[in-house]
Amino acid sequence: AQSVTQPDIHITVSEGASLELRCNYSYGATPYLFWYVQSPGQGLQLLLKYFSGDTLVQGIKGFEAEFKRSQSSFNLRKPSVHWSDAAEYFCAVGVTGRRALTFGSGTRLQVQP
Amino acid sequence: DAGVIQSPRHEVTEMGQEVTLRCKPISGHNSLFWYRQTMMRGLELLIYFNNNVPIDDSGMPEDRFSAKMPNASFSTLKIQPSEPRDSAVYFCASSLDLAGGMDEQFFGPGTRLTVL
Repeated sequence: AQSVTQPDIHITVSEGASLELRCNYSYGATPYLFWYVQSPGQGLQLLLKYFSGDTLVQGIKGFEAEFKRSQSSFNLRKPSVHWSDAAEYFCAVGVTGRRALTFGSGTRLQVQP
Repeated sequence: DAGVIQSPRHEVTEMGQEVTLRCKPISGHNSLFWYRQTMMRGLELLIYFNNNVPIDDSGMPEDRFSAKMPNASFSTLKIQPSEPRDSAVYFCASSLDLAGGMDEQFFGPGTRLTVL
């Protein structure tokens, strides 16, 4: 069965600093990969997704993620963090034949002024 | 589009009572998912439907939980009887899944359930 690991439970960065959130997956083939963001009291919003093709994926709000097959990783990046980016971020994996997603445990991002 | 609609947004009930959570997926979507989010277990899939048919209910914790999708525009998740450990945020999500493929899931705002 597939699994997702987000090793960082909580990250604090200064506004304007760069950001990288880690995500590792376990699956025998190339999965479908997603990053979602959840603001307090809200549902999840899709930031970006990878299905195939170019391994560097651009998303909304200035986020990007890179799929690295050799490392089984799909890390999320942003060059300059804004205070409004403070939220919880979830990496998720989908596999062919099963439409439901498997989510990581999430990384809570705090942004310092 | 109004997005995925869930009701109620908040529910407080007493142990032993029946609880019904409701979801209206995005019009035209053919897959619907129920997730539960807790601090201890994170986001976990309870059940999902495709074309109104339950496909995978292996995440439903026990017989106290049941879900239905009588038509393409409505689904319910019922807990009877409810217990304090059922306290969580319950999310409904929908997607348009083509055969053999996968697309993003759109999430509702969630229902925060508190069982006293």
